[in-house]
Amino acid sequence: GDSVTQTEGLVTLTEGLPVMLNCTYQTIYSNPFLFWYVHYLNESPRLLLKSSTDNKRTEHQGFHATLHKSSSSFHLQKSSAQLSDSALYYCALSGGSNYKLTFGKGTLLTVTP
Amino acid sequence: GALVYQYPRRTICKSGTSMRMECQAVGFQATSVAWYRQSPQKTFELIALSTVNSAIKYEQNFTQEKFPISHPNLSFSSMTVLNAYLEDRGLYLCGARERDWGGEQYFGPGTRLTVL
Repeated sequence: GDSVTQTEGLVTLTEGLPVMLNCTYQTIYSNPFLFWYVHYLNESPRLLLKSSTDNKRTEHQGFHATLHKSSSSFHLQKSSAQLSDSALYYCALSGGSNYKLTFGKGTLLTVTP
Repeated sequence: GALVYQYPRRTICKSGTSMRMECQAVGFQATSVAWYRQSPQKTFELIALSTVNSAIKYEQNFTQEKFPISHPNLSFSSMTVLNAYLEDRGLYLCGARERDWGGEQYFGPGTRLTVL
């Protein structure tokens, strides 16, 4: 079945430094959708980025990611971390036509002053 | 905008009892609703996918007998955890989508279930 592997556990960064959260996936489907969700405590997980187009950069709210099918990757990046970026980040995959999302285990990003 | 509400937000039940949780979509038509569970120290795991006018599809390790789901219209879904035990504790998320796959799935804030 589908699987998603992302930078696990806790990532702590100083404000202003670049953010890089890794995400790789496995799926039998040739045209999967990849997503990054951000989850703040006591709120709903919110879609940050999504892509199904190979080698095309997608950007939103300062974050960007590029789906690379050759390496099955969809890494999340931001040039300069902000305190408000502190949250849980989930990489997720949707393949086929059954709407199912397969999530990675999540990365807790903590940005410090 | 599109919003998904879930209630209750937190609930506690005694071991062996049942707990019903609800999911309400506002601002869009929830053609499909997916229920997920996040157990302690784990990621979100799909329980079942419900599409209006279609049969509800349960994932392996989850059954209708344990997690009956109702999806009577395009704005509401409910799921019950029957005969809850300690391993059922966690955060239950409802994710609703309006159209074909690839469309955004909007999530509610979840119902956190504690089993005593």
